[in-house]
Amino acid sequence: GQNIDQPTEMTATEGAIVQINCTYQTSGFNGLFWYQQHAGEAPTFLSYNVLDGLEEKGRFSSFLSRSKGYSYLLLKELQMKDSASYLCAVRDSNYQLIWGAGTKLIIKP
Amino acid sequence: DAGVIQSPRHEVTEMGQEVTLRCKPISGHDYLFWYRQTMMRGLELLIYFNNNVPIDDSGMPEDRFSAKMPNASFSTLKIQPSEPRDSAVYFCASSAPGDLSYEQYFGPGTRLTVT
Repeated sequence: GQNIDQPTEMTATEGAIVQINCTYQTSGFNGLFWYQQHAGEAPTFLSYNVLDGLEEKGRFSSFLSRSKGYSYLLLKELQMKDSASYLCAVRDSNYQLIWGAGTKLIIKP
Repeated sequence: DAGVIQSPRHEVTEMGQEVTLRCKPISGHDYLFWYRQTMMRGLELLIYFNNNVPIDDSGMPEDRFSAKMPNASFSTLKIQPSEPRDSAVYFCASSAPGDLSYEQYFGPGTRLTVT
């Protein structure tokens, strides 16, 4: 079967750094996505990785290791507005997105 | 562009009633997805269309659910008859393969409550 694992919830302090991990087992691989979802809102696109390595975009970075079936999202200089759920999704061999359950990130002052 | 548009934003109905959710994808996008999100099950893909044709409806939970896309700018998701366990947020998303990241753009969602 296809499976994506992420921690259910994480807590971090404003101004700090947090790393949200995602491991996956899917039928093929055609890219990994991270989405951010604030409570009561729709998911919005954060990042896309298809090759191994680190993709940096401002305060957010995403890393991929295809051989390990592993990715992480790194958030730096945390702000209160970063409190949200972070969804990991993998595009499989049929180009369908398989979604993780999401990690709820709580930022404390 | 206005983004993906969904209506209604909120729907409260009684068990047994028919519910119709509507979606207008981003102009030029040729993929359209219907998702359901609940606390218990997270985000679930129900069905998706390519160029108005249903490609995979394996996520549609029961025959009570049906979806149509009569043209490139409009899709509906219908539940008949509705049941309390159908209560969830229903998202529509669209994407345009050819874009490097193939990201999906989500609408604001319809919060459905069936009593």
